[in-house]
Amino acid sequence: EIVMTQSPATLSVSPGERATLSCRASQSVSSNLAWYQQKPGQAPRLLIYGASTRATGIPARFSGSGSGTEFTLTISSLQSEDFAVYYCQQYNNWPPAADTFGQGTKLEIK
Amino acid sequence: EVQLVESGGGLVQPGGSLRLSCAASGFTFSSYWMHWVRQAPGKGLVWVSRINSDGSSTSYADSVKGRFTISRDNAKNTLYLQMNSLRAEDTAVYYCARDLERWQPLNFFDYWGQGTLVTVSS
Repeated sequence: EIVMTQSPATLSVSPGERATLSCRASQSVSSNLAWYQQKPGQAPRLLIYGASTRATGIPARFSGSGSGTEFTLTISSLQSEDFAVYYCQQYNNWPPAADTFGQGTKLEIK
Repeated sequence: EVQLVESGGGLVQPGGSLRLSCAASGFTFSSYWMHWVRQAPGKGLVWVSRINSDGSSTSYADSVKGRFTISRDNAKNTLYLQMNSLRAEDTAVYYCARDLERWQPLNFFDYWGQGTLVTVSS
C-alpha cells in the first residue's frame, strides 16, 4: 500500500513570499499526483494534476514539480486568498489500499 | 456551469441507514466516472467509492466495503450512496466528485459538491 506524507504540517509564510509544500510517497507513483486547495467550510479545489499540470483557471503562481516519490507544490507570491489547507493525492494505484490523500499542510499567515 | 449538489445527510443512530444523493448539472453526467469522498470533522480527505459511467462497475474503500453501495441514475443525472450499518467513525462530510476525463477513470477530481454532513450518534 502507498502512504502519502506531507510536510510540514503547518507552514507560516508572509504575503508576497514564496511557499514550498512537500509530498512524499512511500513508493513510486510516477507522475500520477494531484494537489488540492481547501478553504474552511468549502469543498476542495483541484490545483495541479500529472504532478505539474495546472487545472483550468488556476493562476500561474501555483506550480507543481517532482516524480516518483518526491513532489513539491510552490506558490510563488502568496496572496491573501492562498492561505488554506493543501492536500496531495496519488492516483497511480487504484483502488487504494490505504488513504490516497496526504494528511494536508495548513498554510497560514505569518 | 458544472454543479454537483449533495443532499440526504443528517443525524442517524449507530447501526442505522442513510441514502445520500448528488444531483449533477452542466455536463454530460452519463459520460463520467463519479466518486464519493468523505472528511471527518477537522480531519483529512478519504476516498470512499467510485462508479463507472454506466453504473456497471463499482469499487469501495475497505472501511466501507459490504456496508455502502454506490449507484447512479443517468436519466435523472443523480449519483447515490446507500449507507447501511453506520458507525460513529462514519461521521463526516460526504462529497461527490467528478473524475477529470470522460469515459475513463483517472481517479482524481476536477469538480466537487459542497458536501453533506452525516452524523452517527446515539
